Amino acid sequence: GAGVSQSPRYKVAKRGQDVALRCDPISGHVSLFWYQQALGQGPEFLTYFQNEAQLDKSGLPSDRFFAERPEGSVSTLKIQRTQQEDSAVYLCASSLGSDPGGYTFGSGTRLTVV
Amino acid sequence: QKEVEQNSGPLSVPEGAIASLNCTYSDRGSQSFFWYRQYSGKSPELIMSIYSNGDKEDGRFTAQLNKASQYVSLLIRDSQPSDSATYLCAVRKGATNKLIFGTGTLLAVQP
Repeated sequence: GAGVSQSPRYKVAKRGQDVALRCDPISGHVSLFWYQQALGQGPEFLTYFQNEAQLDKSGLPSDRFFAERPEGSVSTLKIQRTQQEDSAVYLCASSLGSDPGGYTFGSGTRLTVV
Repeated sequence: QKEVEQNSGPLSVPEGAIASLNCTYSDRGSQSFFWYRQYSGKSPELIMSIYSNGDKEDGRFTAQLNKASQYVSLLIRDSQPSDSATYLCAVRKGATNKLIFGTGTLLAVQP
């Protein structure tokens, strides 16, 4: 596609429910990033993939968060046993190379945990 | 101290004026700096990158970097109401690929 595609756009989850958020990067983009943006804050780094390899997962806030990119294209961010503090917009970005200056963000998934 | 600091605003300027947005960072070793624009309810959009001291101009936008003062700024000339958005400063952390974002400055351009 022409841009980074994320789905769903909106997700409401009951506390304790598991959720899966999908990111479809720009075709051919090697690098893929996940960020979390809480209301009124800047995006915060979660994890980074180069092709299928997860090279940095230092930003994942707990072991309830898990990300994968098994074939080096589509990525899924999974959150187990969601908590209210997980409510945020989850942004995916991709870039052709490893320089994050070339980021193209998707439109994000707004997760609300009730 | 936050790694990247911005005044949250709102910064209100009249149409046609120069808007000046400022950002400071704590990691003296940082080499790459970015400005993103984020409209309400939308995702961030890269508008400028700067890597060396001095000014970099692109249309109505000028990014300024002063590594000695650990300071980066964005000037928007001839501000338009369509420039009203949150402007996020981001700094590449060391040799990693992660960007550290500030909380953003809300700019309101008054017609």
